[in-house]
Amino acid sequence: SQTIHQWPATLVQPVGSPLSLECTVEGTSNPNLYWYRQAAGRGLQLLFYSVGIGQISSEVPQNLSASRPQDRQFILSSKKLLLSDSGFYLCAWSAIIGDTEQYFGPGTRLTVT
Amino acid sequence: GENVEQHPSTLSVQEGDSAVIKCTYSDSASNYFPWYKQELGKGPQLIIDIRSNVGEKKDQRIAVTLNKTAKHFSLHITETQPEDSAVYFCAASSEYGNKLVFGAGTILRVKS
Repeated sequence: SQTIHQWPATLVQPVGSPLSLECTVEGTSNPNLYWYRQAAGRGLQLLFYSVGIGQISSEVPQNLSASRPQDRQFILSSKKLLLSDSGFYLCAWSAIIGDTEQYFGPGTRLTVT
Repeated sequence: GENVEQHPSTLSVQEGDSAVIKCTYSDSASNYFPWYKQELGKGPQLIIDIRSNVGEKKDQRIAVTLNKTAKHFSLHITETQPEDSAVYFCAASSEYGNKLVFGAGTILRVKS
């Protein structure tokens, strides 16, 4: 069966510091991968998605970037965090062909101080 | 692009009663409609979904209905239990699930 991991689970970082959040998927090949941000415990905003290694699509302009160095690894980064980057970051995956469901990881709670 | 509106934002019901959450979407090309349940501090969990070639789907106490003409779909939970308390999100996709647009969420409280 497929499993999606995210780490760290929680993170407190000062303004201006760098960020690296990691997401990995097990039990599947060639997944679509997604990063979402959830502010104030409510709506989910799609930040980035990737259909393959090195292929990243950005949905909204922001202080963040994403990379996919391996087939089942997705990384969310920032060079300098802003207070507005605080939130709950969720990684998700879906199969490339013949499937439409998206499955979410446990999330990372980021607090920028 | 797609826009999804979800109502109500909060819903309180007595244990054993039914709960209904409604969503409307704007893109008539949308063809996949999932519902997610999110418990506090956790990632959303897919609980049921429906595709545009089906009008209704049931899974035990949970059902989803779709009205393509009116462009709305609803989640129905019968015989609610305290463990049903959570935030529920609807979503719509017109690109075979590659991009989901989410509603703002509904906080469901089941009072025992």
